[in-house]
Amino acid sequence: DIQMTQSPSSLSASVGDRVTITCRASQSISNSLNWYQQRPGKAPKFLIYAASSLQSGVPSRFSGSGSGTDFALTISSLQPEDFATYYCQQTYSSPLTFGPGSKVQI
Amino acid sequence: EVQLVESGGGLVQPGGSLRLSCAASGFTFSTYWMNWVRQAPGKGLEWVANIKEDGSQKYYVDSVKGRFTVSRDNAQISLFLQMNSLRAEDTAVYYCARGVYDSASKTSYIDYWGQGTLVTVSS
Repeated sequence: DIQMTQSPSSLSASVGDRVTITCRASQSISNSLNWYQQRPGKAPKFLIYAASSLQSGVPSRFSGSGSGTDFALTISSLQPEDFATYYCQQTYSSPLTFGPGSKVQI
Repeated sequence: EVQLVESGGGLVQPGGSLRLSCAASGFTFSTYWMNWVRQAPGKGLEWVANIKEDGSQKYYVDSVKGRFTVSRDNAQISLFLQMNSLRAEDTAVYYCARGVYDSASKTSYIDYWGQGTLVTVSS
């Protein structure tokens, strides 16, 4: 199985900050990497697919990068609604594993 | 509007069984892979299983193989998860989620999620 790790596990930031979360796969997954946002008590929300493609309707302050084993999610200017937990997920091979999550808090 | 509504969760004793259902609407159900993803209280997301559009292929995480069975009824526009031999560690919110294959990038992703149904395994 492909293992996914994320760092940091949590971070404190302020509105307007630039934030970067990294995700690493235990083996190459090409660009089969997705990002999701989850606010407390809510279902996850889909943000980015294929490592860097923004889902329709997602604000452009979100961006993704990387390929192979190392990936990143960047929020260029943090907004109040962005305080949440972010998960990466590989869909290169089954089981479709998620990273452990990165909590962005004030 | 895509909607996924899970039902069937509840309290069950260890070793017991439960069948989850997911009613889909707002899209052509029979043309999408479907997934179950779970989240234990205070923990992260764990992909559980998925099923191909016509039900001909199914995949599971190792921890549920032989105990859980994913199925679908395209005529009734519904997804199911039969859970047997339940354990305390199966306690979680279970989400039904739609899978998409993007032919341009040759990758897949989950784009819509239900609100989840809570399964509690406890004596």
